[in-house]
Amino acid sequence: QSALTQPPSASGSPGQSVTISCTGTSSDVGGYNYVSWYQQHPGKAPKLMIYEVSKRPSGVPDRFSGSKSGNTASLTVSGLQAEDEADYYCSSYAGSNKYVVFGGGTKVTVL
Amino acid sequence: EVQLVQSGAEVKKPGESLKISCKASGYSFTSYWIGWVRQMPGKGLEWMGIIYPGDSDTRYSPSFQGQVTISVDKSISTAYLQWSSLKASDTAMYYCARRLRCGSDCYDFDYWGQGTLVTVSS
Repeated sequence: QSALTQPPSASGSPGQSVTISCTGTSSDVGGYNYVSWYQQHPGKAPKLMIYEVSKRPSGVPDRFSGSKSGNTASLTVSGLQAEDEADYYCSSYAGSNKYVVFGGGTKVTVL
Repeated sequence: EVQLVQSGAEVKKPGESLKISCKASGYSFTSYWIGWVRQMPGKGLEWMGIIYPGDSDTRYSPSFQGQVTISVDKSISTAYLQWSSLKASDTAMYYCARRLRCGSDCYDFDYWGQGTLVTVSS
C-alpha cells in the first residue's frame, strides 16, 4: 500500500483537462512544499513533470500544472493530447527519516 | 548531453549476490546526487536511496536500509546498487537517476537511466 493515495485512473478527451489528486498527511504532502509529479510511458523511465508543488523543469509544456491545498496535491493536464496518455506518479518529501514517498500511480487515458 | 547508462538485465538465484551499475556522463559526476528507484512488476515507484559522489554521503529509505548498499566509484563516474543475498521479492526494474538541483529537501530526479531488470528465481 502506497503512502500517498492517487485515483487508479482518469480520462479525458483531446483538448480537455484532467486533474489527478494525491492525498497524503501532514507528515508529507501537507508538511512540505516538496511535491512532485512524474510521467511514465509503458516500458520507459519516469520523467519529471512538476517539482516543488508547481515548478516545471525545462522542456515540460505549460499544459502541465501543479498545486497543493492542505494534505492534497493536484496535477492538471490542460489541452489533453494523445501523447499525455501515461501513468502519473506523485511523490513527496516525508521528513529526514523517510525521505521520499510515492503515490500508487494514476493511469491517464485520452479517449 | 547528460546520460545515465545502466548495466544489463540480470537473472539470479535466491541467496546470490549482485551489483548493478549506472555510468554517468555529460556532467560533473561529483557535483550531483544519484539515487535509485525500484519498480516491481506492474507496480509503482519506490524511492530507495541516494548518494553524493563528492563525499559518498548516502541516505536510505527505511524500507531499504540494510537490504541494499549504494556506492560510487568516482574514478569512472559510476554508481552502484548491490545486494549480498537476493530474494525473490527483489525481482524488479531498478532505475538510477540524477537529483535535480532544487531545494534542500527536494529529492527529485531530472535525468534517469534506462533501467536494469533484475529477476530472482530458483
